[in-house]
Order: sequence, then structure tokens, then C-alpha cells
Amino acid sequence: GENVEQHPSTLSVQEGDSAVIKCTYSDSASNYFPWYKQELGKGPQLIIDIRSNVGEKKDQRIAVTLNKTAKHFSLHITETQPEDSAVYFCAADSWGKLQFGAGTQVVVTP
Amino acid sequence: DSGVTQTPKHLITATGQRVTLRCSPRSGDLSVYWYQQSLDQGLQFLIQYYNGEERAKGNILERFSAQQFPDLHSELNLSSLELGDSALYFCASSPRTGSGDEQYFGPGTRLTVT
Repeated sequence: GENVEQHPSTLSVQEGDSAVIKCTYSDSASNYFPWYKQELGKGPQLIIDIRSNVGEKKDQRIAVTLNKTAKHFSLHITETQPEDSAVYFCAADSWGKLQFGAGTQVVVTP
Repeated sequence: DSGVTQTPKHLITATGQRVTLRCSPRSGDLSVYWYQQSLDQGLQFLIQYYNGEERAKGNILERFSAQQFPDLHSELNLSSLELGDSALYFCASSPRTGSGDEQYFGPGTRLTVT
């Protein structure tokens, strides 16, 4: 089955700096890669996703890149703000089943 | 707000008991997914229903079962509860089924087994 690894497990950045989270996956059949943000006491919130026929996607301060050959994808957050502090999860969709990474705790300090 | 609702928000029960968690998908969504989130296992896919029928199964224990009703709401039944079943249980929904469908999560039910 699919296995997703996510790094780093924690990330501390100064407000205004960029944050990058990297994930690798194992199943070459996976073709959809969503990213979720989870704040304390809430459910995961879909923030951006990318499909296998696209190499990069951007939405305001958030961007995701995908390298299918290397089987890795990354989340980039630019101009970080305190409200970006949360746990971020990457996931890979293998036949409709989402396999999640272990999560990255992002702390943005003012 | 994702549009997915879950009840109850919190549930405290004893070992050996049985509980039912309820989920209502977003309006128009036909698929419902159940996930378990624990500190040691992370977010784990349990089971998916599409338009009333089981579609995919993940790491779901035999003590756990689910169903989706004609109005598309879903229930997750957990029986013979053990301390290790304490976790957050999330429901997600999507418009269709199959790979590549965007899944929207509810706020979760926190289950504590004592």
C-alpha cells in the first residue's frame, strides 16, 4: 500500500519568512496530493491540492510542487503570518484512499 | 466551516461499551469517509461509503462497523471498546467516489474510553 513520509516534524519560522514542508510517497499509482491544515481542536482543512498532470500550483501565499519521477511533493508558504501556525498534513490518494503523512507542527513567531 | 457535521463533539465511556458516532456530509456529497486520529498512529483511513454502499476499507477493526443511510448520513459503530480506541474520529465527505475527489472534513468526535 501507499506510504507517505513528511518532513520536518516541527518547523519554527519568523513572521514574514517562508516555510517549506516536504513529503515523499511510495505508490506510483497515486495521482492526487492534497494538503490539510489542522488547528487545535478542529478538523483538517483542505488548503491546496495538486494532481499528477500538474507540476506546480499556487494560491496566494501557498504553493505546492510535485515531482512524479522522484515521488515527492512540497508545500511552500511565503510571507508567513501568526495565523499560519498549525499542524500541516500532506496526503497521497491511492484509489480514493487518502494516506496521510505524520504532520508538521508549524510555529510562526512574531 | 466545511459543511460536514459530526455529533457528538465529545464522548466519554467505559471499556467494553458500545458507542455510535454520527456524520452528515456536505449537501450534495455522496461519499462519506471515516478516519481515526491518534497520537501514535496519526490520521488513519477506516472506511468509505458511496451512496449507501461500502466502497473502500482501510485499517478498520472488526469491532468497528459503519453504514450510510438513504439520506446519506453515516454512522460509525464502535463496540467492545478498549482504552486504545480513545482517539479523535473524523468524518469527511466528497461529491463522488474514486481517486482525486476533494475530501472535506468535519470537526470530529473526541472519544475517551476509561
